[in-house]
Amino acid sequence: SYDLTQPLSVSVALGQTASITCGGKNIGSKNVHWYQQRPGQAPVLVIYRDNNRPSGIPERFSGSNSGNTATLTISRVQDGDEADYYCLVWDSSTGVFGGGTKVTVL
Amino acid sequence: EVQLVQSGVEVKKPGESLKIACKGSGFSFTTYWIGWVRQVPGKGLECMGIIYPGDSETRYSPSFQGQVTISADKSISTAYLQWSSLKASDTAMYYCARRDLAAGSHFDSWGQGTLVTVSS
Repeated sequence: SYDLTQPLSVSVALGQTASITCGGKNIGSKNVHWYQQRPGQAPVLVIYRDNNRPSGIPERFSGSNSGNTATLTISRVQDGDEADYYCLVWDSSTGVFGGGTKVTVL
Repeated sequence: EVQLVQSGVEVKKPGESLKIACKGSGFSFTTYWIGWVRQVPGKGLECMGIIYPGDSETRYSPSFQGQVTISADKSISTAYLQWSSLKASDTAMYYCARRDLAAGSHFDSWGQGTLVTVSS
């Protein structure tokens, strides 16, 4: 089975930049999608197909994907960005989520 | 507006059966894959499997194969997740989500979740 590795937590000062990584074997050959999940809420798509933002998602959210690592970057972090973030890829018709990263805004 | 509306909270005993539902509206239900995602309290997201309501083709993630049954009734735009004999370890929030295959295979819309509690 395909494994995705995310850091358990990332802390970032208000207004600074947060980077969340998602590691997997040759992940650069796959489409990577990112979700934000606030406590008690359903996940929300923030980046799809590596670096595309759905309508309504601020430009502060961006993504990249190359080699064995995909990265979600949140610029000018706000209090409302504090949440869990998950990456998702498809492998052999099976959806695989990363373990999730908790972003804390200091 | 695309909407996925799930059935309500369930409290069951070990060994009981259960079927939860996810009703789609605002899109062509038969031309999108619908997935089910589990989230155990305090834990991460797990993809259980997906179904294509147009022909009921179903694919299960290895961890869930044989543990649950995913089905759909396209006449009422509803997908289902079913257990024949629940275990305490099935206690979780379950989400359905629409998979946009054409734009990149992501889950682009989610239901509100169904909380299932299994306890004696």
